[in-house]
Amino acid sequence: GAGVSQTPSNKVTEKGKYVELRCDPISGHTALYWYRQSLGQGPEFLIYFQGTGAADDSGLPNDRFFAVRPEGSVSTLKIQRTERGDSAVYLCASSLGPSQETQYFGPGTRLLVL
Amino acid sequence: KQEVTQIPAALSVPEGENLVLNCSFTDSAIYNLQWFRQDPGKGLTSLLLIQSSQREQTSGRLNASLDKSSGRSTLYIAASQPGDSATYLCAVWGGSEKLVFGKGTKLTVNP
Repeated sequence: GAGVSQTPSNKVTEKGKYVELRCDPISGHTALYWYRQSLGQGPEFLIYFQGTGAADDSGLPNDRFFAVRPEGSVSTLKIQRTERGDSAVYLCASSLGPSQETQYFGPGTRLLVL
Repeated sequence: KQEVTQIPAALSVPEGENLVLNCSFTDSAIYNLQWFRQDPGKGLTSLLLIQSSQREQTSGRLNASLDKSSGRSTLYIAASQPGDSATYLCAVWGGSEKLVFGKGTKLTVNP
């Protein structure tokens, strides 16, 4: 079956602009996660959704970052007033349910803020 | 706060060699540990998941072990091949819903 998909695969924007990154999880997966990976680092947790609600957003770095999952499937990560330090690969993952389930990752969106 | 360390940061071996990648974590109160593979410019592929009640998991030429009491896991790759070249990431799940990752070990298998 189809895996986790993310669009766009690459995004180049200018400092101060607004961007949206989209994640389509595996069909039937109720849990969805966003991570951010900087060069040479492991992924760092941003936010976790169970269904439509954000169950844990403790990893969001500041209030410029926001994510939604209105129908419990597709999720959008939104970044306002982008800064050069936001440049990274944004990874989305989904799992069948919460707790102890294998997470399946998408290919990521590479964001470059000029 | 959980911290995950992977040693070595990079490893280069000749084809056919058996090798071990190491992962250590500071808080032993984990529910499971997962090993991933990441190819350049790609996402993560799950290799093995070990539940906290398990000691090891095997998949083909890969074997992962877990020792919670010492806060360590190893990934053993048998008879390495050039196609095994990638970055290997270890991640632990500790009660909250998020995975905490190490920085990875970059493996190069030379023909």
